[in-house]
Amino acid sequence: ELKVEQNPLFLSMQEGKNYTIYCNYSTTSDRLYWYRQDPGKSLESLFVLLSNGAVKQEGRLMASLDTKARLSTLHITAAVHDLSATYFCAVDMVDGGSQGNLIFGKGTKLSVKP
Amino acid sequence: DGGITQSPKYLFRKEGQNVTLSCEQNLNHDAMYWYRQDPGQGLRLIYYSQIVNDFQKGDIAEGYSVSREKKESFPLTVTSAQKNPTAFYLCASSYRQRGYTFGSGTRLTVV
Repeated sequence: ELKVEQNPLFLSMQEGKNYTIYCNYSTTSDRLYWYRQDPGKSLESLFVLLSNGAVKQEGRLMASLDTKARLSTLHITAAVHDLSATYFCAVDMVDGGSQGNLIFGKGTKLSVKP
Repeated sequence: DGGITQSPKYLFRKEGQNVTLSCEQNLNHDAMYWYRQDPGQGLRLIYYSQIVNDFQKGDIAEGYSVSREKKESFPLTVTSAQKNPTAFYLCASSYRQRGYTFGSGTRLTVV
């Protein structure tokens, strides 16, 4: 059974600081996703990481994937208030080569304070 | 523009009542999914369908039913057997290695 664990679950940061959110998963997968969710809203896709060593950056967010360690990180640089949201990682459980199902972590609620 | 449409946005259910949540996509995606989200929690898979006329149970299928008669549509029925249905329901669709697209969600409340 595929399990996805995120930490921390809650993160309070000051503006301008850096921090990293970690996502560990329990079985082999080559596809990992990061999503952002604002309160009461749907999921916004941030990054899709498809291979070992993949690194993607968008603005103050950078995501990386290490499939050997079964670990992905979401690094926040110089946080600003607009980044306050809940961030989810999700792993694609692929069965027999076909696209399978997304298994989600519990999410990291990020609060950026002035 | 292509996307996923969920309706209604808010839904109220009385005890013992069945309700159906709509999910329609015009992305030509083969696979569709239903997820449930409880406050402060991640998303849990209810049902998924990889192809028309076929669907599989996810982790929390009890008390729910689905159909997939058309590629574009994947309605979810919350039956009276689901004892704690109050949650946020998200529908998604996907195409191989092109990621997942989520709808805007339906918030279901038991009254």
